[in-house]
Amino acid sequence: GAVVSQHPSRVICKSGTSVKIECRSLDFQATTMFWYRQFPKKSLMLMATSNEGSKATYEQGVEKDKFLINHASLTLSTLTVTSAHPEDSSFYICSARERDRYNSPLHFGNGTRLTVT
Amino acid sequence: AQKITQTQPGMFVQEKEAVTLDCTYDTSDQSYGLFWYKQPSSGEMIFLIYQGSYDEQNATEGRYSLNFQKARKSANLVISASQLGDSAMYFCAMRDSGGSNYKLTFGKGTLLTVNP
Repeated sequence: GAVVSQHPSRVICKSGTSVKIECRSLDFQATTMFWYRQFPKKSLMLMATSNEGSKATYEQGVEKDKFLINHASLTLSTLTVTSAHPEDSSFYICSARERDRYNSPLHFGNGTRLTVT
Repeated sequence: AQKITQTQPGMFVQEKEAVTLDCTYDTSDQSYGLFWYKQPSSGEMIFLIYQGSYDEQNATEGRYSLNFQKARKSANLVISASQLGDSAMYFCAMRDSGGSNYKLTFGKGTLLTVNP
């Protein structure tokens, strides 16, 4: 089955530093990747949609300068949390849709638990 | 705007019994897709089952079935013969057919606990 690898699974960083999270589709091409944020015991909130080779589309209320998304290839998207603060601590999870398969389920990475101290 | 409603924050079921997790949705689209995902405490999202708006039959996948009532705009998940490993958060989601990205919108989730 389609596999999405997300790395790192856990990261602890100091306030003011930047953290990069990678999301790779291992055995399929993903023209579209989605980045979600999840607070404890809450639902997944879509942050942004990235299409390969173009700028990401951010959801309302998400700071594009804080959460930088790059989708440079059909198998890799990255989320960089810039100048992280404790309130950015959360569970971030990416998902990808296979190219040309609009009815297929999204394939999710295992998530990244970010803790900013 | 699309909306997914899961009214059960938590559910309990005895092992080997069946359980129904509720999901209602609101959309003006004619073409849409409904998904159920399972999220164990480890955090990964596991796809369970899919129902397309034009599918005439209810979807089934092993012990999972989707009770799709289009007129009522409901897509309840039925888990038969519950197992201890079914304890997890369950999310209902709808695929947005607007635009070309087909993003998913999630409900708030239901925490299922299977008791031995």
